[in-house]
Amino acid sequence: AQTVTQSQPEMSVQEAETVTLSCTYDTSESDYYLFWYKQPPSRQMILVIRQEAYKQQNATENRFSVNFQKAAKSFSLKISDSQLGDAAMYFCAYRSGALQETSGSRLTFGEGTQLTVNP
Amino acid sequence: GAVVSQHPSRVICKSGTSVKIECRSLDFQATTMFWYRQFPKQSLMLMATSNEGSKATYEQGVEKDKFLINHASLTLSTLTVTSAHPEDSSFYICSARSILGRETQYFGPGTRLLVL
Repeated sequence: AQTVTQSQPEMSVQEAETVTLSCTYDTSESDYYLFWYKQPPSRQMILVIRQEAYKQQNATENRFSVNFQKAAKSFSLKISDSQLGDAAMYFCAYRSGALQETSGSRLTFGEGTQLTVNP
Repeated sequence: GAVVSQHPSRVICKSGTSVKIECRSLDFQATTMFWYRQFPKQSLMLMATSNEGSKATYEQGVEKDKFLINHASLTLSTLTVTSAHPEDSSFYICSARSILGRETQYFGPGTRLLVL
């Protein structure tokens, strides 16, 4: 079974600075997807960024970028120019690339990292 | 695009009653919907996966007679908590996977259930 580990329960960053959230995963599959979701105090889960395992290029979305190290099974999230609105719980998630309609589409979440942004 | 709604957003009920939570994909068709439970300051725990027109697949330890799931159409899934008890109080979140963009799940805003 796949597992996702986020070793930082809490992180803090100064506004306008850069912060990196760590995520490692364990899998025997070669085809899969990785995600970072953000859950602000409203508790709405928001997709931040997505990475396909077959792509060597790291995904970027504006101020958010990932460092995907497939061999090391590491998938960290970098937030540049941090803003107060970035404060949230961040979850790393894994999804198999298998085509099974049920088990192949489930997400496995890490424990989450609570990010605080200090003004 | 890719909006998922949940209703109600919060509900308070008496112990022993049943509560139904609706999950709708508003602007896309969802072949698969997922139901999660989340306790405070914890991660999401998958309860079950439902495909339109077929029975839900429940995760180990989740009572299927307790948490009834119906996925009658490509835009609606319901979770019914039967004979609710205080230990069922939690935050319930649904997500949907589009029939087109199958790699990504889109989440509803969640339903806070409090059983007195």
